[in-house]
Amino acid sequence: DIQMTQSPSSLSASVGDRVIITCRAGQSISNYLNWYQHKPGKAPQVLIYAASTLQSGVPSRFSGSGSGTDFTLTITNLQPEDFATYYCQQSYSSLYTFGQGTKLQIK
Amino acid sequence: EVQLVESGGGLVQPGGSLRLSCAASGFTFSSYTLNWVRQAPGKGLEWISYITGSSSAIYYADSVKGRFTVFRDNAKNSLYLQMDSLRAEDTAVYFCASLGVARSYYEWFDLWGQGTLVTVSS
Repeated sequence: DIQMTQSPSSLSASVGDRVIITCRAGQSISNYLNWYQHKPGKAPQVLIYAASTLQSGVPSRFSGSGSGTDFTLTITNLQPEDFATYYCQQSYSSLYTFGQGTKLQIK
Repeated sequence: EVQLVESGGGLVQPGGSLRLSCAASGFTFSSYTLNWVRQAPGKGLEWISYITGSSSAIYYADSVKGRFTVFRDNAKNSLYLQMDSLRAEDTAVYFCASLGVARSYYEWFDLWGQGTLVTVSS
């Protein structure tokens, strides 16, 4: 299975900040990388697929980049509704795997 | 309304069995690959199974292979997860999720249900 490692595991930031979350794959996965936002008690929501394609309806303050083994999710101008847990997930193999998550908290 | 609704969760003893259901509405169910994803208390998301629209391809995570069986009934717009030989570490919220596809090969978990809680405990 392809291991996905996110960093940091948790992050404190303020409204208006820019934050960057990184995700590293255990082998090259080209750009088969997705990012999700998950809030307690709710279903996860895809933000970005194919490493950098913004899902329809997702605000443009979210962006993704990377290819091969190293990827980033950037959130600019943090809004109150952005405080959640973020996961990366590879779709290079149909034995899908997620990163362990990054919990974004209000400072 | 386009939605997935899970049911069947509950309390079960270690070694026991449980069957989860996921009812779909608002889309052409048989055209979509579906998955089960779980989240243990205080832990992250874990993909556990995949089934194509025609059931021609089925995959499992190593953590559940040989104990869980995924199947679907397209006539009933329903997905199922038969869970046998349950362990304490199977305690989690179980989500069903449909697969979104772009350019024929980029895939992501698109539509999710709200989840159903399975607790394995004596």
